Amino acid sequence: DIQMTQSPSTLSASVGDRVTITCRASQNINSWLAWYQQNPGKAPKLLIYEASSLESGVPSRFSGSRSGTEFTLTISSLQPDDFATYYCQQYDSYSLTFGQGTKLEIK
Amino acid sequence: EVQLLESGGGLEQPGGSLRLSCAASGFTFSSHVINWVRQAPGKGLEWVSAISGSGGSIYYADSVKGRFTISRDNSKNTVYLEMNSLRAEDTAVYYCAKDRSSGDGMDVWGQGTTVTVSS
Repeated sequence: DIQMTQSPSTLSASVGDRVTITCRASQNINSWLAWYQQNPGKAPKLLIYEASSLESGVPSRFSGSRSGTEFTLTISSLQPDDFATYYCQQYDSYSLTFGQGTKLEIK
Repeated sequence: EVQLLESGGGLEQPGGSLRLSCAASGFTFSSHVINWVRQAPGKGLEWVSAISGSGGSIYYADSVKGRFTISRDNSKNTVYLEMNSLRAEDTAVYYCAKDRSSGDGMDVWGQGTTVTVSS
């Protein structure tokens, strides 16, 4: 199975900050990667698909990029609603796999 | 409105069985892969199983292979997850989620149903 290594596990930041979350795949997955946001007690929400495509309705402060097997999710200017947990997920091949998650906390 | 609604969760003893349902509305159901994803208490997301639109392709995580069975009834716009030989480590919130298109991320999720395996 493809392993997804996500970092950091926790990130403390302030409103207005620019933050980056990284996900590394254990092998080539092309650009078959999605990013999700999850708030406590809620279902995940798709933010980014195909590594860098913004899902409809998602604010443009969210962006994704790829360099080889390393993927990044960037939030350009944190808003209060952005403090949540973020997951990457590869869909290059089954079994689908998620990263361990990054909890974004208010500093 | 595009919607998924899970049901069937509950408390079951180790070794027991449960059947989860995922009822869909608001989209062309038979055109989309449906996944089951679970989240144990305080833990991250774990993909469990997926079924293609026709039902002809089925996939499982190693952790549930041989114990869980996914199926779908396109006439009822419903996907099922039959869970047998339940273990304590199957305790989780189970979500069904629709593929955006041809396996391009999961764009619609249900609210989740809780499965607790305990004696």
